[in-house]
Amino acid sequence: EIVLTQSPATLSLSPGERATLSCRASQNVDRYFAWYQQKPGQAPRLLIYDASKRATGIPARFSGSGSGTDFTLTISSLEPEDFAVYYCQQRKNWPLTFGGGTKVEIK
Amino acid sequence: EVQLLESGGDLIQPGGSLRLSCAAAGFTFTTFGMSWVRQAPGKGLEWVSSISGFGDDTYYADSVKGRFTISRDNSRDTLYLQMNSLRAEDTALYYCARASSYCSTTGCYPDSWGQGTLVTVSS
Repeated sequence: EIVLTQSPATLSLSPGERATLSCRASQNVDRYFAWYQQKPGQAPRLLIYDASKRATGIPARFSGSGSGTDFTLTISSLEPEDFAVYYCQQRKNWPLTFGGGTKVEIK
Repeated sequence: EVQLLESGGDLIQPGGSLRLSCAAAGFTFTTFGMSWVRQAPGKGLEWVSSISGFGDDTYYADSVKGRFTISRDNSRDTLYLQMNSLRAEDTALYYCARASSYCSTTGCYPDSWGQGTLVTVSS
């Protein structure tokens, strides 16, 4: 099983600041990698797929990078609605696995 | 508009069985792989199981293999999860999710999710 480790667990930032979230895979996942956003009481929302492609309707302030084992989600300038929990996920191998999540909270 | 509506969650005793359903609408059901993903209270996301569009390929997390069975009825546009030998650690909100069209595989990134149905396993 491919283990995904997200860091940091919590990120405390102010609106307008840049957020950088990391996810490391225990083995190579090429670019079969995604990021999701989840707000309290809501289902997850797909943000980024194939490591760097924005899903339909996702604002340009969200960007993804990386390949192999190290991946980054960047939010260029935090909007109030971006404070949420973010999960990474790989689809290189079964079982599909998710990271433990990074909470982006208001400082 | 894609709609996924889960049902069947309940309070159930350890060792019991439950069947979850997910009614789909707004897309051609047979075209998409489907998955169940769960989230224990206050915890992260855990993939549970996936099934291909025609139901001929199924995949399971080790934690549920041999106890849970995923299936689909394409004539009813409905996804199921039969859950047997339930344990306390199966307590979670169970989401039904549709694989996106960004790739052609069953395990493609889910891009549409229901609101979940709560399963509580407790005596």
